[in-house]
Amino acid sequence: KNEVEQSPQNLTAQEGEFITINCSYSVGISALHWLQQHPGGGIVSLFMLSSGKKKHGRLIATINIQEKHSSLHITASHPRDSAVYICARNTGNQFYFGTGTSLTVIP
Amino acid sequence: DAGVIQSPRHEVTEMGQEVTLRCKPISGHNSLFWYRQTMMRGLELLIYFNNNVPIDDSGMPEDRFSAKMPNASFSTLKIQPSEPRDSAVYFCASSPDVRGTQFFGPGTRLTVL
Repeated sequence: KNEVEQSPQNLTAQEGEFITINCSYSVGISALHWLQQHPGGGIVSLFMLSSGKKKHGRLIATINIQEKHSSLHITASHPRDSAVYICARNTGNQFYFGTGTSLTVIP
Repeated sequence: DAGVIQSPRHEVTEMGQEVTLRCKPISGHNSLFWYRQTMMRGLELLIYFNNNVPIDDSGMPEDRFSAKMPNASFSTLKIQPSEPRDSAVYFCASSPDVRGTQFFGPGTRLTVL
């Protein structure tokens, strides 16, 4: 049973577009993680948040604890943003991962 | 810092053989995580350690899998005997503490024939 749902599964955007990826989970969390996996396979942790909003460059992550929902936004998207974005929730000792959103940004 | 180091980067072995994957976490990080990624199941947490002690191994698929962390700078994930369904990319990650930002290694791509 996958307790973390991401949408959309696949996303294609034109360079410059504003992008939103959504993540929903069903139980309370200690923290929520957003990861980026590049086409070469490497994984980078983008954000770890438990409330509110975090921003790093063109990336913004928000979380609504009451609604059990998080979003990852990319402003002014660029082809180098093309990757798989994975949401993961941490509850106590448990980590559960979404299946990922595959993003392709076209020049 | 060199980041999280994993070895080997690629491993091809035959069914029934023992496989040992190695990980060196970032110096000073207290938590270490082993993950497996497959096309079918995505990313899965296998086990994680805090201060060299296994905290949760509920993700370890079966007794053929074992992990150790003899000291703060080294961990191993062993599969014995290996099976074709173990073919996957195995990632190691470390973080300053259990709920901190995790830094991932480059992964080991395992193929069991």
